[in-house]
Parts: sequence; C-alpha cells; structure tokens
Amino acid sequence: EPEVTQTPSHQVTQMGQEVILRCVPISNHLYFYWYRQILGQKVEFLVSFYNNEISEKSEIFDDQFSVERPDGSNFTLKIRSTKLEDSAMYFCASSEGGGYTFGSGTRLTVV
Amino acid sequence: GQNIDQPTEMTATEGAIVQINCTYQTSGFNGLFWYQQHAGEAPTFLSYNVLDGLEEKGRFSSFLSRSKGYSYLLLKELQMKDSASYLCAVRVHFSGTYKYIFGTGTRLKVLA
Repeated sequence: EPEVTQTPSHQVTQMGQEVILRCVPISNHLYFYWYRQILGQKVEFLVSFYNNEISEKSEIFDDQFSVERPDGSNFTLKIRSTKLEDSAMYFCASSEGGGYTFGSGTRLTVV
Repeated sequence: GQNIDQPTEMTATEGAIVQINCTYQTSGFNGLFWYQQHAGEAPTFLSYNVLDGLEEKGRFSSFLSRSKGYSYLLLKELQMKDSASYLCAVRVHFSGTYKYIFGTGTRLKVLA
C-alpha cells in the first residue's frame, strides 16, 4: 500500500536553530498538508499546499514557518529560529482530494 | 467558530461494543472522518461519512446526522489492540481547498 514517508523520525535541535522536516507524499496525490500535535493535545492544521502554492494556512503558521516542494517528490516544512514550544510531532499528509494518508511523523524536540 | 467535542476517555471490556460520540459546529462541512491513533504514532484512517446514515466497515461503523451535527463511531467485538485514541475530524472546504479540524480525541481503554 502506498505510504507517505517522513524523515527524520526524531530531530533534536537547540533553541534558535533552523530545522527542515522532509516528506515524500504518495506519488499521484495532489494535495499536501502539514499538521502538528503537541504532546497530549489535539492534531492541529498548519498548512495546505496545492498546485505549487499554499492554499490555506492557520494562525499558527506565521513567518517562522515555510513550505516548499523543491522537486517533484519532496515536500518540506522549514521552521526558523525554533522555540521550546515548537516541540511536537509534525505529520505530513497527502490526498487525491479525499481522505488523507498521514506519514508516520517527525518528533521535534527543541532544547 | 469551529468546534468539535468528544469524550476525553472511555473504558470498555474485551468482546463488548462501545460507541464514541462526536458533536461538531463547523462551517463548510465536507465530511466527517474517524481516525485511530496509538500513542506516539500517526493517525490511521478508520471510516468516514459524507451523507447521513451508517457506514459499516468490518468491526467498525460510523454514523452521521448532519442536521444534528452529530456522529458516532461504533466498535464491536472489542480487542485489546483497540486500546487507542479515536479522533473525530471534520473536513471543511474553503476556496477550493480542504482541511481537517480535529477533536481532542477519545482515549479508549479495553480491559480484559
């Protein structure tokens, strides 16, 4: 069964550093998403991406965040100047327009 | 605003049936989805409803009433491995795109 692949599975970074979280969506999917889940809290929408541009972003997704699709397969989330409260699981998801397939997530720990 | 409510925790016995309720107030409704999430793992898709009524999928069924803003997930013949969080998510449609709004999840404990 096709999978959404995320790397790394766990990233530890120092406060103030930049991180790039990587995702390889399912190849024929057109819609891409990033969500995050702070430990013990609900899954929160960050951003959706379609046709090589952001289609919607939440209030969480401020200037600290950016997304890119640098080539035909990867989809990245960049977090600049990380803060302690950015520590969370970050899930990438893709869809053809219906239900999502989530990646296994990247656990980001900011120390 | 967008709001989704579901119970925080439920406990049931192996072999039993459990119903997890979800109520929502959203605009741009375009379907209600149920996901299972084990601790530290990604949500996995279980079931979804776009129209009113019951959708059955093996041991799992989901029901939707759009007029009442209400859904439930029914799990039959509970197994220990069903111990997990169950996330109710409403898909909303804005300006040609979709996003999911998740509830806080219901943590289900299945006891032997």
